[in-house]
Amino acid sequence: KQEVTQIPAALSVPEGENLVLNCSFTDSAIYNLQWFRQDPGKGLTSLLLIQSSQREQTSGRLNASLDKSSGRSTLYIAASQPGDSATYLCAVARYSSASKIIFGSGTRLSIRP
Amino acid sequence: ETGVTQSPTHLIKTRGQQVTLRCSSQSGHNTVSWYQQALGQGPQFIFQYYREEENGRGNFPPRFSGLQFPNYSSELNVNALELDDSALYLCASRTTSTDTQYFGPGTRLTVL
Repeated sequence: KQEVTQIPAALSVPEGENLVLNCSFTDSAIYNLQWFRQDPGKGLTSLLLIQSSQREQTSGRLNASLDKSSGRSTLYIAASQPGDSATYLCAVARYSSASKIIFGSGTRLSIRP
Repeated sequence: ETGVTQSPTHLIKTRGQQVTLRCSSQSGHNTVSWYQQALGQGPQFIFQYYREEENGRGNFPPRFSGLQFPNYSSELNVNALELDDSALYLCASRTTSTDTQYFGPGTRLTVL
């Protein structure tokens, strides 16, 4: 059974710092991995999607890496801003269904001005 | 904005009642999935519909059911509500040609 873990559960850093969020999964047979952002009480916004054959994806100040063999992914945020404050969730999709994705519990990120 | 809308925004029900939640998918999206997100947790997959048929289900009992309509809007129905059904319910839509899902803002259900 696939399990997705995100550590830490919460993180607070001063504005301008570079930071890394971690995600680990127990079954390396994945179809893809996604990172999402969720603002309080709101829906999810897809940030980056990495296919199982890829090692990383970049979008602006965000870079996500994937190491299937070790069951790990990281989300790197450069030059953090207060507007980056949100909960960040990673999720993995199994081969059988790209919609049945397994989420971690998220990291709640707070950027202090 | 993802183009996916959900109604209502908030809902309060009592234990034992039935509830219907609605989702309007982004134009052209023929696949819709529903998720339950308890407070402080990640979303859990309930089921997926493709071309009006359920084609994937998570670990949820039969009292959770759904419908998808020809215009790709969909419903989530929950019978015999329990206190633990209190959660944010999210729908997500996509086309079969892409893996990216677009989530709606969710419906916050409170069961008293």
